[in-house]
Amino acid sequence: GAGVSQSPRYKVAKRGQDVALRCDPISGHVSLFWYQQALGQGPEFLTYFQNEAQLDKSGLPSDRFFAERPEGSVSTLKIQRTQQEDSAVYLCASKNTQGASTDTQYFGPGTRLTVL
Amino acid sequence: GDSVTQMEGPVTLSEEAFLTINCTYTATGYPSLFWYVQYPGEGLQLLLKATKADDKGSNKGFEATYRKETTSFHLEKGSVQVSDSAVYFCALSMFSGGYNKLIFGAGTRLAVHP
Repeated sequence: GAGVSQSPRYKVAKRGQDVALRCDPISGHVSLFWYQQALGQGPEFLTYFQNEAQLDKSGLPSDRFFAERPEGSVSTLKIQRTQQEDSAVYLCASKNTQGASTDTQYFGPGTRLTVL
Repeated sequence: GDSVTQMEGPVTLSEEAFLTINCTYTATGYPSLFWYVQYPGEGLQLLLKATKADDKGSNKGFEATYRKETTSFHLEKGSVQVSDSAVYFCALSMFSGGYNKLIFGAGTRLAVHP
């Protein structure tokens, strides 16, 4: 595809509901990242996939957050029993190679989650 | 831990004014440095990057120089336009464990008026 796509673009959930956020990375990109961007803040790292392997989930804020990438392409970030503090924009980014720190991460438009 | 600090906004300028947005970093090694821009209603876009000390990144009239001695990567543009109004994020990445993740500053909102 032309770029990273995310769906839905906007999600409103009642506190306690489960939500699933989807990311379609650029075709062929090995690396996939999820970030959380609170209002007025910079994005913060949540988790990293290399193909289907989740190599780093150190940024996930609680065990209510779960991410998967079963076939090494599309990824889903799931949040169980949503809380108001989960309200944020969730960004997905993909990168062409698994190594080389200089490679550019390409970001999707994000999903804005509002928990009421 | 590694971190990025950038000047608070908003920065309000008239068209054709000179822009500087300060960014400093703390890192245990030798990071790559980036400026990302977020236009209203759009996703993050890479503006420019530098991968080693004294490198200058440049794009669309913006430039930033990687200064190891002052641990800084200040963004500059000689003459801003209304279309430059956006939020600018400074970021670093460290290659560790076979991959890199970005660490962002809080962002600086720029508003340019005609």
